[in-house]
Amino acid sequence: QVHLQESGPGLVKPSETLSLTCSVSGGSLSSGIYYWSWIRQSPGKGLEWIGYVYYRGSTDYSPSLKSRVTISLDMSKNQFSLKLNSVTAADTAIYYCASSRMAIPFDFWGQGILVTVSS
Amino acid sequence: DIQLTQSPSTLSASVGDRVTITCRASQRIGDWLAWYQQKPGKAPKLLIYGASTLESGVPSRFSGSGSGTEFTLTISTLQPEDFATYYCQQYNTFSPWTFGQGTKVDLK
Repeated sequence: QVHLQESGPGLVKPSETLSLTCSVSGGSLSSGIYYWSWIRQSPGKGLEWIGYVYYRGSTDYSPSLKSRVTISLDMSKNQFSLKLNSVTAADTAIYYCASSRMAIPFDFWGQGILVTVSS
Repeated sequence: DIQLTQSPSTLSASVGDRVTITCRASQRIGDWLAWYQQKPGKAPKLLIYGASTLESGVPSRFSGSGSGTEFTLTISTLQPEDFATYYCQQYNTFSPWTFGQGTKVDLK
């Protein structure tokens, strides 16, 4: 059973960088079994997949966010992180981290963290 | 991107009812389709993947069917704990993963 927990600031100023971390227990980031994703949910746009990172550091991002997003691994801490730069009010959302496997989509989720973009 | 359209957006039902939700994809996605249940303040929970495979621990009253562009989620006998919002999601390898807009199942 994989357990995920998001952490980071709940308030970010416009034009700055949103940075979140997902701590993973019950599963190793280096196992090669899981893809580690970020997903967000806002009232205006529903659920939106942001991107994932795989254990070798390979990534895939949503085309609509690709120019602003970086997802990376920290194997030593068994964590992965999200950076979204140049944020606007439209990036206000609940951000979830989640795991998926080959042919099995998001089976484990963190509880979510609300991030508000406001000055 | 592949668009997913769920219908209806809201469904009013009673305990014991049979409930069906439809998800239509803008392109063929084989059976790369999942269904999630979300309750207020909680993360989505995976119910079905591969269009029809029940996730471990999910009650058998939930079932999924379809392939290509049209999919359904059926709850055979609605229970009180099933009032929630349901989302479909496609995870086709060659396209960004996307979600439907959601179907809220509420009490009639």
